[in-house]
Amino acid sequence: AQSVTQLDSQVPVFEEAPVELRCNYSSSVSVYLFWYVQYPNQGLQLLLKYLSGSTLVESINGFEAEFNKSQTSFHLRKPSVHISDTAEYFCAVSEPSSNTGKLIFGQGTTLQVKP
Amino acid sequence: DADVTQTPRNRITKTGKRIMLECSQTKGHDRMYWYRQDPGLGLRLIYYSFDVKDINKGEISDGYSVSRQAQAKFSLSLESAIPNQTALYFCATSDRASTDTQYFGPGTRLTVL
Repeated sequence: AQSVTQLDSQVPVFEEAPVELRCNYSSSVSVYLFWYVQYPNQGLQLLLKYLSGSTLVESINGFEAEFNKSQTSFHLRKPSVHISDTAEYFCAVSEPSSNTGKLIFGQGTTLQVKP
Repeated sequence: DADVTQTPRNRITKTGKRIMLECSQTKGHDRMYWYRQDPGLGLRLIYYSFDVKDINKGEISDGYSVSRQAQAKFSLSLESAIPNQTALYFCATSDRASTDTQYFGPGTRLTVL
């Protein structure tokens, strides 16, 4: 069965420092992978996704994630964070072969950017 | 205007009361989903629907029911609310051709006393 594990519940970091939010998944079939971001008191917004092709995917605000099939990971990185990046980040996986569109979410990682 | 809207945004109710949360979308998507979010547990799927006549249980459907009144409307009901249903509830939509990408509403914060 599918599952997603986000290895850190909270990640505190100083402004302009690099950050990595870790995500591992389990699945026996091909997957799509997603990172969503939830700013305080808001819904979830898609940050980036991996469907196929290049294993490195990027977002418009400087985040990137790399799909590593052998390690079943999809870690999210940013080389220099801003205060405005403070939010909760969710990793999610789907199995396109199931044709259900269902997403399985990780537990979430709270990124706290300090001045 | 937002593509996926939820009403109410906040609701406080008492144990045993029936409550309905509503979701509407203008994205023209065929698939709709209801999740609940609890701290430390991420989002868990309650129900999902592929069209008006196709409704499916998710991983935590006990105590909940849904109605898909139209392609654009998907309601979640708690027939007899209990305190452990206190949570943040999200509606989401996707298109069959959108590679499983889901688009979320702003959420409803429900408190059951």
